Amino acid sequence: AQSVTQPDIHITVSEGASLELRCNYSYGATPYLFWYVQSPGQGLQLLLKYFSGDTLVQGIKGFEAEFKRSQSSFNLRKPSVHWSDAAEYFCAVGVSGGYNKLIFGAGTRLAVHP
Amino acid sequence: SQTIHQWPATLVQPVGSPLSLECTVEGTSNPNLYWYRQAAGRGLQLLFYSVGIGQISSEVPQNLSASRPQDRQFILSSKKLLLSDSGFYLCAWTLPDLAGSPLHFGNGTRLTVT
Repeated sequence: AQSVTQPDIHITVSEGASLELRCNYSYGATPYLFWYVQSPGQGLQLLLKYFSGDTLVQGIKGFEAEFKRSQSSFNLRKPSVHWSDAAEYFCAVGVSGGYNKLIFGAGTRLAVHP
Repeated sequence: SQTIHQWPATLVQPVGSPLSLECTVEGTSNPNLYWYRQAAGRGLQLLFYSVGIGQISSEVPQNLSASRPQDRQFILSSKKLLLSDSGFYLCAWTLPDLAGSPLHFGNGTRLTVT
């Protein structure tokens, strides 16, 4: 069955430091992969998506993610974190043939210290 | 451009009372529609999805039901709420017949069952 694992429940970084959020997926075919961000009490906003082609994808707000098939990973990165990046981040895999259903990870809550 | 509206934003209901949450999408036709639930500290669980009027698929057996009376309207209901129904409910839409199309989320409804 398809699944997504985000190993880190909470991460704290200092403002200006680099960030990497981990995501591993389990899926038999080429996956569609997504990263979403959720501010407290809000819906989810799409940061970036991977369908095929270049394994390094750029998103909004200065985020990027790299698809590594050999590691079944799709880690999210940002070179310099801003205080406004504090939020919860969700990785998701799209199930082809499943009416575009997304399977989400449990999320990683990011705190940013000044 | 497409927009999604979800209401109410917050709701406090006693155990055993009925529930009706509504979601509407503007600016697109025949979208796929989804209801997700997010329990505190947990990821998103897909509850229902719909690919057309009157077509509802349930992902998880539960106390809730969904209906799609119009093309861009999706309703989540319950006849008698349980304490375990508390959570953050998110409606989402995506383009039909486009594999890997990302989900676009509403701002959610915070439901507290007392």
